[in-house]
Amino acid sequence: QKEVEQNSGPLSVPEGAIASLNCTYSDRGSQSFFWYRQYSGKSPELIMSIYSNGDKEDGRFTAQLNKASQYVSLFIRDSQPSDSATYLCAVNFPSGNTPLVFGKGTRLSVIA
Amino acid sequence: NAGVMQNPRHLVRRRGQEARLRCSPVKGHSHVYWYRQLPEEGLKFMVYLQKENIIDESGMPKERFSAEFPKEGPSILRIQQVVRGDSAAYFCASDTGQGGGYTFGSGTRLTVV
Repeated sequence: QKEVEQNSGPLSVPEGAIASLNCTYSDRGSQSFFWYRQYSGKSPELIMSIYSNGDKEDGRFTAQLNKASQYVSLFIRDSQPSDSATYLCAVNFPSGNTPLVFGKGTRLSVIA
Repeated sequence: NAGVMQNPRHLVRRRGQEARLRCSPVKGHSHVYWYRQLPEEGLKFMVYLQKENIIDESGMPKERFSAEFPKEGPSILRIQQVVRGDSAAYFCASDTGQGGGYTFGSGTRLTVV
């Protein structure tokens, strides 16, 4: 069973704080991990991809992958009200030509 | 450099009618994926296609739903005899098949009345 689990939230953080979003997945052999941002009524937008253990930074976003523990995290530094959205974790499971499996998403609310 | 184009953006159908959703992938992308999203829910995989081939349709209901990606033209997701439970946002995504994440279209919001 291919499962991607996220806390649905809402996660509320004050403006300027660090938002921490977590995602666990069921298959230890998974290789590719993605974070998407989805504003209400809009389509998902790819914001981060990570393939190796450790941290990957892009601007205010840092993705962290721990394959041994089967989790991937997204940290948003200096959170802004414009970061308020649903964040979707997606995992590419290893068996052949399989499509991305998405978690249900975590709703983030940044309070000004 | 156009992204994934989906149309229509909004579609209203009466119960029993057919809904036809179109998706043109990013130029150069040969892999197309259809996902369905209900309010407050995540993206549920429906079908994965390459040109003229269905690679994985494990997420698509066996009845009333079909998909194609012809050699020429857009990918089509067809829902026959729609029911109220088909109301959802349907997203199409594409990629090159080499990994690196998908590009999503703006979606088609289907409402069955």
